[in-house]
Amino acid sequence: AQKITQTQPGMFVQEKEAVTLDCTYDTSDPSYGLFWYKQPSSGEMIFLIYQGSYDQQNATEGRYSLNFQKARKSANLVISASQLGDSAMYFCAMRGMGTGRRALTFGSGTRLQVQP
Amino acid sequence: NAGVTQTPKFRVLKTGQSMTLLCAQDMNHEYMYWYRQDPGMGLRLIHYSVGEGTTAKGEVPDGYNVSRLKKQNFLLGLESAAPSQTSVYFCASSYSSGTASEQYFGPGTRLTVT
Repeated sequence: AQKITQTQPGMFVQEKEAVTLDCTYDTSDPSYGLFWYKQPSSGEMIFLIYQGSYDQQNATEGRYSLNFQKARKSANLVISASQLGDSAMYFCAMRGMGTGRRALTFGSGTRLQVQP
Repeated sequence: NAGVTQTPKFRVLKTGQSMTLLCAQDMNHEYMYWYRQDPGMGLRLIHYSVGEGTTAKGEVPDGYNVSRLKKQNFLLGLESAAPSQTSVYFCASSYSSGTASEQYFGPGTRLTVT
């Protein structure tokens, strides 16, 4: 079975500072993908960044980067230069290869609040 | 190109009533999914479909049925609604089942069962 754990229910960060949102995962699949989604108060799910289990380099997308440590089974999201608009729920998710695992398995999320 | 759309956006049902949620995608995706999101939780998979005419159960399928008669549509049915089905329902689609294949989400349907 797949499992995603996000241990930070809520985080505060000052505007313009960097913040790291933690994510650890568990899977028996040799190949898998890790995703981060943002959910603002309006409710939609916004894709942020993807990391493949065989990718040699950490993924980056603008101000978002993924700190992937395969041996520790962690995939932390780093947001640099936080902005007020970054205040939202953030979900880590995983997709494996086995039958029935083609869908995403989500963590419980971290609520980020950016303070001016 | 509308992406993934969901109908309706909001609905209030009484216990025992039935309803169908419609998901439509215009990206020619093979894979479609229904998730539910309860307060303070991540999304959980209800049912999914790997192609027209095929469906499969996810993590929390009880009380729901689905159909995929057309490739672009994925319907979620509640035959006899219960208060425990109060939730926000998200539909998603993806091009393939590969681990890198991004899932595109609809805007969600907020359902309240009284």
